[in-house]
Amino acid sequence: EPEVTQTPSHQVTQMGQEVILRCVPISNHLYFYWYRQILGQKVEFLVSFYNNEISEKSEIFDDQFSVERPDGSNFTLKIRSTKLEDSAMYFCASNDRGSTGELFFGEGSRLTVL
Amino acid sequence: GDSVTQMEGPVTLSEEAFLTINCTYTATGYPSLFWYVQYPGEGLQLLLKATKADDKGSNKGFEATYRKETTSFHLEKGSVQVSDSAVYFCALYLMDSNYQLIWGAGTKLIIKP
Repeated sequence: EPEVTQTPSHQVTQMGQEVILRCVPISNHLYFYWYRQILGQKVEFLVSFYNNEISEKSEIFDDQFSVERPDGSNFTLKIRSTKLEDSAMYFCASNDRGSTGELFFGEGSRLTVL
Repeated sequence: GDSVTQMEGPVTLSEEAFLTINCTYTATGYPSLFWYVQYPGEGLQLLLKATKADDKGSNKGFEATYRKETTSFHLEKGSVQVSDSAVYFCALYLMDSNYQLIWGAGTKLIIKP
């Protein structure tokens, strides 16, 4: 069964460092998303991406964040200069056009900023 | 705005007990409704869904019925197991929302043997 894969599963970084989280969405999907979940809190939408551009982004997705689809398979989230409060689980998701909204999630990348 | 409200947790039950986790929503259109589950240390998995009023989603013994009149999508299971211990998230999706899911806060379920 096709699945969304994410790497790394866990990354520890120092405050101020750049981090890139990688995702490989399901191959025939056209819409891609990043969500995050701070430990013990609600899942929060960060950004959606379609046709090589951002469709929508939340207030959390400020200038420190960027997304890219560098090739036909990867979808990356970059945090330019990490802050302590960026520590969270980051989930990538994808779905196909015309779906009823079901998102297919990866297992998440846990980011710890020290 | 559109929102999802879930009952607060944790919910603690004994094995084989009946489970209900309440979920109500506010939406301007006709959303699709979902329950996602997050087992300890794992990612988010779709548990079940319903895309229109009166639809019943079911999976792994869990059920939820889309009730438009009460704007609810309560999750139920007749006999819970220890392995059902997890955090359960109710979510909605509107076609005009740029494919963004709107999430409830999650309800932690603890099943004791």
